[in-house]
Amino acid sequence: SQQGEEDPQALSIQEGENATMNCSYKTSINNLQWYRQNSGRGLVHLILIRSNEREKHSGRLRVTLDTSKKSSSLLITASRAADTASYFCATETSGSRLTFGEGTQLTVNP
Amino acid sequence: GAVVSQHPSRVICKSGTSVKIECRSLDFQATTMFWYRQFPKKSLMLMATSNEGSKATYEQGVEKDKFLINHASLTLSTLTVTSAHPEDSSFYICSAPGTSSHYNEQFFGPGTRLTVL
Repeated sequence: SQQGEEDPQALSIQEGENATMNCSYKTSINNLQWYRQNSGRGLVHLILIRSNEREKHSGRLRVTLDTSKKSSSLLITASRAADTASYFCATETSGSRLTFGEGTQLTVNP
Repeated sequence: GAVVSQHPSRVICKSGTSVKIECRSLDFQATTMFWYRQFPKKSLMLMATSNEGSKATYEQGVEKDKFLINHASLTLSTLTVTSAHPEDSSFYICSAPGTSSHYNEQFFGPGTRLTVL
């Protein structure tokens, strides 16, 4: 079953703006991961944040994790049209099993 | 990074037939692989965990006789949709956990779009 909820479900912004997506989950986790999916394609791993970490950066990506609120956010700075995709959070609880959130469809307009 | 391939990328079949989907880890060994299905504009639902040399572990609500999984080697897992029906039409994606250099990261195949007529 899906334990993650993401908001917004859809986000449309202009190139150069920042995009923020949020994810909430219900159970204790080992780590939380963010993935990107272009339409009709497989998923690409973006970033992983462990349960004992609060913030992580990778290029234009910034991820935060608040285990007390069971929530995470993904910030994409200086967005580009090529960032248009669906973004999913996924929580890992045990045995490498991932539970995915519902996803956010991001559209970056040129 | 590690590469996972799937074959075929797209398949159309008639109701009642069986379809086999292959998932291969190309440059690393995977004792465990995962199978997901995804409906249009929806999230990924974990169907089962494929274990090399032993039986697959199915998620609640997934019919193991309907979705046969065989993990025959350290680089190949297959998902067979038996007696397919239109409601089985979906996007099926496999993944494999990364090696020690990419610990916890999972590598996803490009997916297989199944259409059952």
